[in-house]
Amino acid sequence: ELKVEQNPLFLSMQEGKNYTIYCNYSTTSDRLYWYRQDPGKSLESLFVLLSNGAVKQEGRLMASLDTKARLSTLHITAAVHDLSATYFCAVAPGSSASKIIFGSGTRLSIRP
Amino acid sequence: GAGVSQSPSNKVTEKGKDVELRCDPISGHTALYWYRQRLGQGLEFLIYFQGNSAPDKSGLPSDRFSAERTGESVSTLTIQRTQQEDSAVYLCASGKLNTEAFFGQGTRLTVV
Repeated sequence: ELKVEQNPLFLSMQEGKNYTIYCNYSTTSDRLYWYRQDPGKSLESLFVLLSNGAVKQEGRLMASLDTKARLSTLHITAAVHDLSATYFCAVAPGSSASKIIFGSGTRLSIRP
Repeated sequence: GAGVSQSPSNKVTEKGKDVELRCDPISGHTALYWYRQRLGQGLEFLIYFQGNSAPDKSGLPSDRFSAERTGESVSTLTIQRTQQEDSAVYLCASGKLNTEAFFGQGTRLTVV
């Protein structure tokens, strides 16, 4: 059974600081996704990572994928309050059409 | 273009009643996913469709839950004899192979 583990689950950080969220998964996959969810809202897609070594960047967020280590990271650079949200990683096992399993989420709070 | 549409957006039902939740995916998306999200929790996988077949029903919590999909179009999730623990937001998403899943706004179900 595919397990997707994120850490930390909660993160409170100051504006201007850097931090990394980690996502480990338990089975072979070359499809990993990062999503953002604001309170009371649905999920918004941030990044799609489809190969080993893939790196994507959007503004202050950068995501990477190491399929050999079964690890993805979401790095936040010089955090700003607007990035406060819950971030989920999600994995589709294998390489053909399949379900997508989500991690528990990381609730990020950025204070001034 | 239109996104994933779910209806109703809110549903309050009495314990023991049946409910039907609807999802209209993005046109052309072959994959369709249902998830459950309890308050403050992560996304619990329920079922996945590829076209109108469901290769993975492993997440359905009990035989009170069922889902069907018409072709590559609308899907309905039915919960029979609702219980209070069924109260949650039910999220539907659609996608293509090797793309992310795009989420609807969800149906908030409250069982009283």
